[in-house]
Amino acid sequence: DAMVIQNPRYQVTQFGKPVTLSCSQTLNHNVMYWYQQKSSQAPKLLFHYYDKDFNNEADTPDNFQSRRPNTSFCFLDIRSPGLGDAAMYLCATSPQFGFYQPQHFGDGTRLSIL
Amino acid sequence: QQQVKQSPQSLIVQKGGISIINCAYENTAFDYFPWYQQFPGKGPALLIAIRPDVSEKKEGRFTISFNKSAKQFSLHIMDSQPGDSATYFCAASMAGTYKYIFGTGTRLKVLA
Repeated sequence: DAMVIQNPRYQVTQFGKPVTLSCSQTLNHNVMYWYQQKSSQAPKLLFHYYDKDFNNEADTPDNFQSRRPNTSFCFLDIRSPGLGDAAMYLCATSPQFGFYQPQHFGDGTRLSIL
Repeated sequence: QQQVKQSPQSLIVQKGGISIINCAYENTAFDYFPWYQQFPGKGPALLIAIRPDVSEKKEGRFTISFNKSAKQFSLHIMDSQPGDSATYFCAASMAGTYKYIFGTGTRLKVLA
């Protein structure tokens, strides 16, 4: 029944070694989001796609990039992870923007940096 | 003006008691207010949401109370159970926009 699926659930990488996190959805939603969540904090929006249109938050580091090859899949690439990038990364989807549309979250990928 | 202030930061309630979490906002353009429940190691799950044209919405043991003039909304969990122990986030957004403004979260512990 999982609708927003994130893989892997846990990812360990080395300082500076590129890493890719993936998200897939079975909801056929137009909008996909990537959030970063650190311990005991609220999710922080990194970027979102409305269909194929990519939108970066102003304070998202250049180190973070994303790809959405089709409606169902979205990837988060961290080019050179630093220790401060250790966090839970959450993918979410919604049918459209606003208009009382809830966001549906996956269970996240916990990223550790050695 | 884009902030959503959430309180308390943590809450301990006895089983069967009422848990109350409060949020306040400044931007009167916000018109959708969801609450999310997050268990450790899991993503946030939508619990209940309200629009400002109603003052209260109830789903099972969960109720949102909304005070438009005070720009405040709160989550009430009736007959709180140990299984309700989780972190709760309020959020606010505007129709036609993509962004949720999240509160800082409340860690609820319900004692058996």
